[in-house]
Amino acid sequence: GESVGLHLPTLSVQEGDNSIINCAYSNSASDYFIWYKQESGKGPQFIIDIRSNMDKRQGQRVTVLLNKTVKHLSLQIAATQPGDSAVYFCASGGNRDDKIIFGKGTRLHILP
Amino acid sequence: DAGITQSPRHKVTETGTPVTLRCHQTENHRYMYWYRQDPGHGLRLIHYSYGVKDTDKGEVSDGYSVSRSKTEDFLLTLESATSSQTSVYFCAISESSGGVYEQYFGPGTRLTVT
Repeated sequence: GESVGLHLPTLSVQEGDNSIINCAYSNSASDYFIWYKQESGKGPQFIIDIRSNMDKRQGQRVTVLLNKTVKHLSLQIAATQPGDSAVYFCASGGNRDDKIIFGKGTRLHILP
Repeated sequence: DAGITQSPRHKVTETGTPVTLRCHQTENHRYMYWYRQDPGHGLRLIHYSYGVKDTDKGEVSDGYSVSRSKTEDFLLTLESATSSQTSVYFCAISESSGGVYEQYFGPGTRLTVT
């Protein structure tokens, strides 16, 4: 069946370094992809999305890269800060589809 | 933050009792969703609604029912709670923006079934 997954359940990064969180998806018909951040005790929060007709999209300190050839996307966080400590989920959706599928999440630890 | 509230925020109940969780939105969004979140499983869709009185099942719908009589409220009912339904439940809302259904989540309800 359709799935969205992350490569690593946990990632530790030094404060100030860049973080890269990876995600793979199985459905080649997925039309858009979304990254969410979930802090402890809170609901997931939208970070950035990207349509399948794009390779790259930038936000504030975040960049999402999409490689449709290998069905892979990544979230890059520049100059990682303590406030970036959270679980990050990727999710995918199809065109005209009101549901999205979530991956299992990667916990990002920030080292002082 | 999107105008989404969930009630109760915490609940402890006994096996076999009925439980209803409420999601309330002030955004007038068409779509509403109920997820459960468990360690090692991420977020799994239970039921969702695409309009008043219009609902559909998600991937883990067994043991759950939903109702949506008003745009702003989406209720999740466990008819007879079991220990396997101990979880954190999140409600989400969305509208289509250029074909992307960006979802906004509530704060969650932690349910413990003893």
